[in-house]
Amino acid sequence: KQEVTQIPAALSVPEGENLVLNCSFTDSAIYNLQWFRQDPGKGLTSLLLIQSSQREQTSGRLNASLDKSSGRSTLYIAASQPGDSATYLCGRGSTLGRLYFGRGTQLTVWP
Amino acid sequence: DVKVTQSSRYLVKRTGEKVFLECVQDMDHENMFWYRQDPGLGLRLIYFSYDVKMKEKGDIPEGYSVSREKKERFSLILESASTNQTSMYLCASMPLRGDYEQYFGPGTRLTVT
Repeated sequence: KQEVTQIPAALSVPEGENLVLNCSFTDSAIYNLQWFRQDPGKGLTSLLLIQSSQREQTSGRLNASLDKSSGRSTLYIAASQPGDSATYLCGRGSTLGRLYFGRGTQLTVWP
Repeated sequence: DVKVTQSSRYLVKRTGEKVFLECVQDMDHENMFWYRQDPGLGLRLIYFSYDVKMKEKGDIPEGYSVSREKKERFSLILESASTNQTSMYLCASMPLRGDYEQYFGPGTRLTVT
């Protein structure tokens, strides 16, 4: 059974802090990994995809890394802003294309 | 930009009704997926399809069926809606298999009373 765990489940920080969100999976035979953002009552917005041959991806203030040997991925958010408040989900990819999701980290950034 | 649209944002149905949820993508993607999302359980895969008229069961297919008659459209059918199918339903698409981003629609909040 594929299991994906995200830690912490919730995080509340003041504006300006640098953050690390964690994602771990039981099966190290991971294909790729995708990070998403979800605002309340909305769909998922793709943030970063770490493809099968990659170990890291960056977009603006976001950086995601993937260590297949240890079964872990981290999402680093630099200089957090109130607009970053949302739930962050990681999806472990398979060769068939389906994703296995963690339950998310609910982030609150207060001014 | 990839666009995935879902037929309704909010839907209220009665127990026993047949319910259709529709998803359309405009990027000629082969793969399409239906997930449901529940508090404390996360996202779970119901069905997916990698080609027209092809379908594969996900983790929780019971009580659901799907239809993919055209490449751009993937429908989720609740044959006889029950209260335990009250949930947020999310559709997604991606090209081919494997190493591409998966794109999600805005979701349909279904309430069965």
